[in-house]
Amino acid sequence: ETGVTQTPRHLVMGMTNKKSLKCEQHLGHNAMYWYKQSAKKPLELMFVYSLEERVENNSVPSRFSPECPNSSHLFLHLHTLQPEDSALYLCASSQGQGGAYEQYFGPGTRLTVT
Amino acid sequence: KNEVEQSPQNLTAQEGEFITINCSYSVGISALHWLQQHPGGGIVSLFMLSSGKKKHGRLIATINIQEKHSSLHITASHPRDSAVYICAVREYGNKLVFGAGTILRVKS
Repeated sequence: ETGVTQTPRHLVMGMTNKKSLKCEQHLGHNAMYWYKQSAKKPLELMFVYSLEERVENNSVPSRFSPECPNSSHLFLHLHTLQPEDSALYLCASSQGQGGAYEQYFGPGTRLTVT
Repeated sequence: KNEVEQSPQNLTAQEGEFITINCSYSVGISALHWLQQHPGGGIVSLFMLSSGKKKHGRLIATINIQEKHSSLHITASHPRDSAVYICAVREYGNKLVFGAGTILRVKS
């Protein structure tokens, strides 16, 4: 048990659907992250939240919309996605946002866009 | 060219063999991470190191800052070690850059 949970674990959605991914951390951490992992490509950092404030947004298309209502929960709202958005979406958390802090990952949500 | 290069990309070993996975990077870093990703996606942090060597059970990680190189060793490998091993470096701006991963399969 990593202390970081993600739901759903698998999601299939059409290009016109709207869905949300949920991440919850039970570790008392202050920073949370969304990553995208496409087949045969390195992990890509999408968003970083520290103390519920977005501190990093790595040129992610607006069809991905993050939300961090409190330090334990992180959402990724999805709308009008493209088939190339199919990937594993990983959430992570760390005690602080910075180089000294180790990140703890959730199990990921496998997203397929049809 | 990725800032973090791992080799080999794929590795098949026989149970009991000593395994080495290498990671080279091209930028100045404050720390290097080794991560393990099992089929199904979950990632576990194995090591975070900024100098020298760390050991945990059958796993050993080393880093040479001058040569910008790190190795992950697995002694007495077992089929349950089969996973993707990912090297990630933390640049001085706190940006975390990931390697593409090494797919390890240990056969019994």
